[in-house]
Amino acid sequence: GEDVEQSLFLSVREGDSSVINCTYTDSSSTYLYWYKQEPGAGLQLLTYIFSNMDMKQDQRLTVLLNKKDKHLSLRIADTQTGDSAIYFCAESRAGGGADGLTFGKGTHLIIQP
Amino acid sequence: GAVVSQHPSWVICKSGTSVKIECRSLDFQATTMFWYRQFPKQSLMLMATSNEGSKATYEQGVEKDKFLINHASLTLSTLTVTSAHPEDSSFYICSARDNPGRDTQYFGPGTRLTVL
Repeated sequence: GEDVEQSLFLSVREGDSSVINCTYTDSSSTYLYWYKQEPGAGLQLLTYIFSNMDMKQDQRLTVLLNKKDKHLSLRIADTQTGDSAIYFCAESRAGGGADGLTFGKGTHLIIQP
Repeated sequence: GAVVSQHPSWVICKSGTSVKIECRSLDFQATTMFWYRQFPKQSLMLMATSNEGSKATYEQGVEKDKFLINHASLTLSTLTVTSAHPEDSSFYICSARDNPGRDTQYFGPGTRLTVL
């Protein structure tokens, strides 16, 4: 079955860049997503990338996709204390259809002053 | 952007009772909504896919008679946890797609269910 893996924790200093990595197994994934979850809250869609793209940039966020290695990363430039949250990588199961998402376990981003 | 709401945001109930959770798309029509559950410090697990006007599709291992889903309109889906037990305590999150041609889901804020 499909599997999405992420490291559980990442600690960075305020002002540095954060890079959160994700690997997935389903080669038929069409869209890959990054969601942010703050304590006690729901999920906020940060960005997504279509599988035929290598990179997508949106302000402080840069998503890189290596489809050959099934590796996805999220780079947050100039990390701020407000970026402290859990970041989930997710993939669509069946490419653009009506299927739900498969999520990784989430990476806790910890910001050091 | 697309907004999804859930009601209630939290609920505490006694074991054996039923609880209904609503999921609404506020500024768009959603032909498909999804229900997930999230245990503490765990990832989200898809429970079921809800299509307007038809029966929900449940993931393997999810009891359809226990988790009743109704998607009666393009802006509302409900999840009813029947005869709730403490092991059903969890964070339930819904999501909705705003465009059938684009696989982007917008998530509600979640409902925390505690069964005593």
